[in-house]
Amino acid sequence: AQRVTQPEKLLSVFKGAPVELKCNYSYSGSPELFWYVQYSRQRLQLLLRHISRESIKGFTADLNKGETSFHLKKPFAQEEDSAMYYCALKTGFQKLVFGTGTRLLVSP
Amino acid sequence: EADIYQTPRYLVIGTGKKITLECSQTMGHDKMYWYQQDPGMELHLIHYSYGVNSTEKGDLSSESTVSRIRTEHFPLTLESARPSHTSQYLCASSEFSGGMGELFFGEGSRLTVL
Repeated sequence: AQRVTQPEKLLSVFKGAPVELKCNYSYSGSPELFWYVQYSRQRLQLLLRHISRESIKGFTADLNKGETSFHLKKPFAQEEDSAMYYCALKTGFQKLVFGTGTRLLVSP
Repeated sequence: EADIYQTPRYLVIGTGKKITLECSQTMGHDKMYWYQQDPGMELHLIHYSYGVNSTEKGDLSSESTVSRIRTEHFPLTLESARPSHTSQYLCASSEFSGGMGELFFGEGSRLTVL
């Protein structure tokens, strides 16, 4: 089955602490993975995709095919990073499957 | 301004009523999607379209129907609403490209069926 698992519903850290949002996937083919983010009172939007291998707002995510993971990391969390984060997997032709999301709360 | 619009944002309606959730985009995108999301749960794809006159059912079975008569418009209809249809419905669009294009989401329509 094609699925995305985000084991943590809530991750609470202090400002300046490292952050790792976990994402594991199940997919038989070559995976294409994404992180979407929803800030308070804003729309769901793309944060980054693994094929771009880019760092956005200090966040990076590395695809680990051996562990079937695509964890999102940031070395020093900022209060403005507080949001809902969704990991997503491309399945089939031009479709995405989303995980249940992790709420990141960064306290001052 | 290029955007994707959903109306109504909130709707409270009685059982058995027919409802239509509107979704329009001015981004010139070919692909459009409807996702359903219950609180604390994942987004489930219920319908998608690759272009005019193209509609497909998503991964989650839904009693709703969709149409795509115009590129910019992708309405979702429930002929007879039930309490089990209470949920948030998110519309999204994407440019047709070789890979998986970025999804642009609307603000969502929160439906409550009494």
